Order: sequence, then C-alpha cells, then structure tokens
Amino acid sequence: GENVEQHPSTLSVQEGDSAVIKCTYSDSASNYFPWYKQELGKGPQLIIDIRSNVGEKKDQRIAVTLNKTAKHFSLHITETQPEDSAVYFCAARLDSNYQLIWGAGTKLIIKP
Amino acid sequence: EAGVVQSPRYKIIEKKQPVAFWCNPISGHNTLYWYRQNLGQGPELLIRYENEEAVDDSQLPKDRFSAERLKGVDSTLKIQPAELGDSAVYLCASSVTNYEQYFGPGTRLTVT
Repeated sequence: GENVEQHPSTLSVQEGDSAVIKCTYSDSASNYFPWYKQELGKGPQLIIDIRSNVGEKKDQRIAVTLNKTAKHFSLHITETQPEDSAVYFCAARLDSNYQLIWGAGTKLIIKP
Repeated sequence: EAGVVQSPRYKIIEKKQPVAFWCNPISGHNTLYWYRQNLGQGPELLIRYENEEAVDDSQLPKDRFSAERLKGVDSTLKIQPAELGDSAVYLCASSVTNYEQYFGPGTRLTVT
C-alpha cells in the first residue's frame, strides 16, 4: 500500500527566513497531494494542494512542488511569520479509493 | 460559510463505558469522513460516507466502533465499550469533490 514519509520532524527557522518541508510517497498511482496546517487544539486546515498533472502551485507565501518521477513533493513557505508556527502534514491520495495517506507531521517553529 | 461542527469538544470516560461523537458537515458536502488522530501522528481514516452510504469502513474496528449518517447529513460515531487505547482526537471532515477535505475541531477523548 501507499506510504508517505515526511522530513524533518521538527524545523526551526528565523522569522523572515524560508522553510521547506519534504515528503516522499511510494505508490506511483497517487494523484493528489494536499498540505495541512494544524494548530494546537484545532483540526487540520488545508493550506495548499497539487494534482499530479501539475509541477508547481503557488499561493502568496506558500508554494508546493511535485516531482512525479522521483515521487516526492515539497512545501515552501517564504518570509515566515510567527503565525506560521504549527504542525504541517503532507498527504497523498490514491485515485482508487480516495483515501488520504498522511505523513507523520513537521513541527515548524518560527523564532522571533 | 460555516465550517464542520463537532461535539463534544472534550470527553473523559472510564474504560468499558460507551461514548458518542457528533458531526455536522459543511452544507452541501455529500462526503463525510471520520478520522482518529493519536498524539504526534497524522490522522487515520476510520470510515468514509458518500451521502448515507458507508463506502469505506475497512479500518473501523467493528467489534466496538459503529457509525451512522442518517439522511446523509449529520453523523454519529460510537464506541462501546471504550478501552484505554481509544484515547485520541476524533476528527470529522467533509468534502464535495473527494479532493479537498475540510476538518472540524475534533473531539479529544480520554479513557481512564
């Protein structure tokens, strides 16, 4: 079955710097890759997603890149701000059963 | 637009007691998901509904867990009897396209 690995588990960056979180997946049939942000005591919030027919997608300070050949995708956050501090999850979805397989999460810490 | 509503937000019960969680999805979202999230991990799918039909319950522990979605709107997830290992956050999500999933705040269950 599908397996998603996410790195790093913790990332600490200076406010204003960029942050990059990487995920790899195992099943080449996966076709949808969302990224979620989860703050303490809240449910995951969808922040950006990408489908397998696209290589890159951008939304203001957030971008996602997808390399289907290497089976990895990355989240890029530029000009980080204190409110970006949270746990970020990547996921991959199989077209066959619509099930999302989640990474283990990255705790992003923005240092003032 | 109102988000996914879940209640209660917190529940503490003794082992062997029953417990129920309620979810009201975003209006018009015909797909509803129940997830369980253990501390420090990504969510794990328990069951997915398309309208009132459970189309994927392969990961629902059916000996003690049950769910229903009457009239294809609200849903209830029940555990009877609860075990210590059931302590987790139970998340409900809804979707209209089987791509973007929107999560509620979750119910934190503690079994003592």
